[in-house]
Amino acid sequence: AQSVTQLGSHVSVSEGALVLLRCNYSSSVPPYLFWYVQYPNQGLQLLLKYTTGATLVKGINGFEAEFKKSETSFHLTKPSAHMSDAAEYFCAVSADAGNMLTFGGGTRLMVKP
Amino acid sequence: NAGVMQNPRHLVRRRGQEARLRCSPMKGHSHVYWYRQLPEEGLKFMVYLQKENIIDESGMPKERFSAEFPKEGPSILRIQQVVRGDSAAYFCASSLERQSTDTQYFGPGTRLTVL
Repeated sequence: AQSVTQLGSHVSVSEGALVLLRCNYSSSVPPYLFWYVQYPNQGLQLLLKYTTGATLVKGINGFEAEFKKSETSFHLTKPSAHMSDAAEYFCAVSADAGNMLTFGGGTRLMVKP
Repeated sequence: NAGVMQNPRHLVRRRGQEARLRCSPMKGHSHVYWYRQLPEEGLKFMVYLQKENIIDESGMPKERFSAEFPKEGPSILRIQQVVRGDSAAYFCASSLERQSTDTQYFGPGTRLTVL
């Protein structure tokens, strides 16, 4: 069984400030981890994913995430927030036995001018 | 290359009616997943299908819900005798391979409202 916890259902930052969205997971097998972004009334778009290899993963739109096995975390960061980053962000994990994704509850990012 | 297509985008049904949601995967993808997103919640896995086969339906309610992915045509998620609690956004995703590392590409979703 696996689960994902996203701390903070709402995060507000100022434009230009650091973005940090937290994700912790539990998995009985080595996890594969994903971050998706959802804009209003749209589907999910993949930001980045970790499978194996380098633990710091770079994604689209300047986002990156670091897999920390000892902390069971996969936090998403971006050095400087842009207004267009305002959206809902979902962390997800998939199991080795299949490809279905288990999602966290999501974090809504608000960017203030 | 068209992405995952879902229709309709919005669907309104009265209690007791049937809802049919369609999903056309990306070209070349033979793996389809359905997820449900209740208001203010994350997505929950419902069912995983390959062409003509249901591989995993562990997330699907035992009654009123069914899914298929025929040899020809889109995948269909069918909800019979809808109730208010079925109101949600239903997302379809597709992937090229079955491995856990493979990316799932999501459609825009169907927002079902049950009156």
